[in-house]
Amino acid sequence: DVKVTQSSRYLVKRTGEKVFLECVQDMDHENMFWYRQDPGLGLRLIYFSYDVKMKEKGDIPEGYSVSREKKERFSLILESASTNQTSMYLCASSKYSNEKLFFGSGTQLSVL
Amino acid sequence: QKEVEQNSGPLSVPEGAIASLNCTYSDRGSQSFFWYRQYSGKSPELIMFIYSNGDKEDGRFTAQLNKASQYVSLLIRDSQPSDSATYLCAVNVEGTGRRALTFGSGTRLQVQP
Repeated sequence: DVKVTQSSRYLVKRTGEKVFLECVQDMDHENMFWYRQDPGLGLRLIYFSYDVKMKEKGDIPEGYSVSREKKERFSLILESASTNQTSMYLCASSKYSNEKLFFGSGTQLSVL
Repeated sequence: QKEVEQNSGPLSVPEGAIASLNCTYSDRGSQSFFWYRQYSGKSPELIMFIYSNGDKEDGRFTAQLNKASQYVSLLIRDSQPSDSATYLCAVNVEGTGRRALTFGSGTRLQVQP
C-alpha cells in the first residue's frame, strides 16, 4: 500500500513565524500535491510538483512556497504565517498526473 | 460557476436505503472522475473512479458518468450508518492545463439507524 506521511498531526505557530510542513511518500510517485481544506470550501490546491525540483502553482499559492529536492519528499513552507493560514493541510501523491491521489493523514495548523 | 459543484447537504437517508450523491463539472474536456470518502477528522480515501460514460459498480457503490450532461453520480446501496461521511467529487479540469485534480466542496451524508 502507498504510504504518505506528514510529519505533524497538529501544529501551533505564532503569526510571523516561518513554518515547514513535511510530506514523504514511499511509492516512487512522480506527482506530489499540497491542498488545504477549510469548512465549506472543500480542498483547494496550493502547489504541486510533477518531478524533482519542478513545481507549479495551484489555486491559492499566495503566502506559500514549496521545495522538492528529492522525489519522495515535498515540503510546504509558510514564509510568514498569518492567522488566515489556520487550516487543515493535506499532502497527496500520485503515480501519473490527473490520476487517483493518495493522501497523508493531514496537519491541522493553528496560527495564533 | 465553480469548476466542480456538489450540494453540501446534509443528505439524510434511512439505513438500508439508496443514497444518491451528485456532482456537476464545467469543463467538457474532463476525462477522469473520482469519488473520495472523508470521515470527520480524517483524510480523504478513494472509493471509486470512472473514465467512461455509463455505470461502474464496486460492491455497494456505483459510479455513473454522463459526459454529455456533465455530471457524475455515486449511488450507495443498502446504506449503513458507517457510510456517514463527507463524499468528495474530484475531476481533472483540462481547460486549466493543470495536471492536478479539482475537488468539489463535498456532500455530507447522514445514514439514520
